[in-house]
Amino acid sequence: NAGVMQNPRHLVRRRGQEARLRCSPMKGHSHVYWYRQLPEEGLKFMVYLQKENIIDESGMPKERFSAEFPKEGPSILRIQQVVRGDSAAYFCASSPAGQGKEKLFFGSGTQLSVL
Amino acid sequence: QKEVEQNSGPLSVPEGAIASLNCTYSDRVSQSFFWYRQYSGKSPELIMSIYSNGDKEDGRFTAQLNKASQYVSLLIRDSQPSDSATYLCAVNARGGSNYKLTFGKGTLLTVNP
Repeated sequence: NAGVMQNPRHLVRRRGQEARLRCSPMKGHSHVYWYRQLPEEGLKFMVYLQKENIIDESGMPKERFSAEFPKEGPSILRIQQVVRGDSAAYFCASSPAGQGKEKLFFGSGTQLSVL
Repeated sequence: QKEVEQNSGPLSVPEGAIASLNCTYSDRVSQSFFWYRQYSGKSPELIMSIYSNGDKEDGRFTAQLNKASQYVSLLIRDSQPSDSATYLCAVNARGGSNYKLTFGKGTLLTVNP
């Protein structure tokens, strides 16, 4: 039973480029969350999505960042025109729709480095 | 600002001892509480959940919740070197249908052989 799958594990971008981070939730999970973790910082909530819907994006910067979870395929976190401050570990988590929906299971993360 | 506070540590205990990790939260409507373990460079792993006041035991782990004091703790009995990790306290910040978690910064635990 595969867990939450994230790719790539490491992503290097130069300033001004775009970064696309992918997340496939656990089988049977329909809720996806994206978190960002900076060095020496806790996990910070960014966005919560269900299929084709953004439920809560209160933690996502208003500019350059967007997220989607289409009907088919993985959830995508997109960062346009990256800056050095975007360098961080980005974790995706998923949970089921029914019982246990409050428990989040995390993927291995994508380490984004902006040069 | 809804916050979750933890001592950053490091907390150092000898092998076989009890490690006690503490967490306070500010949002009184919080309903669900979790402890995650994160090894360096790895993803957070859920180890305990607790929803009602009192103690909940699972193997060597015991979670304790006191909603009146807005306090949740994790006890690790018979600590092992493999328990050395950062422990993250997480709180469901709103309850209801939004399962967004707010995390503390974590406590680094070192278990010395």
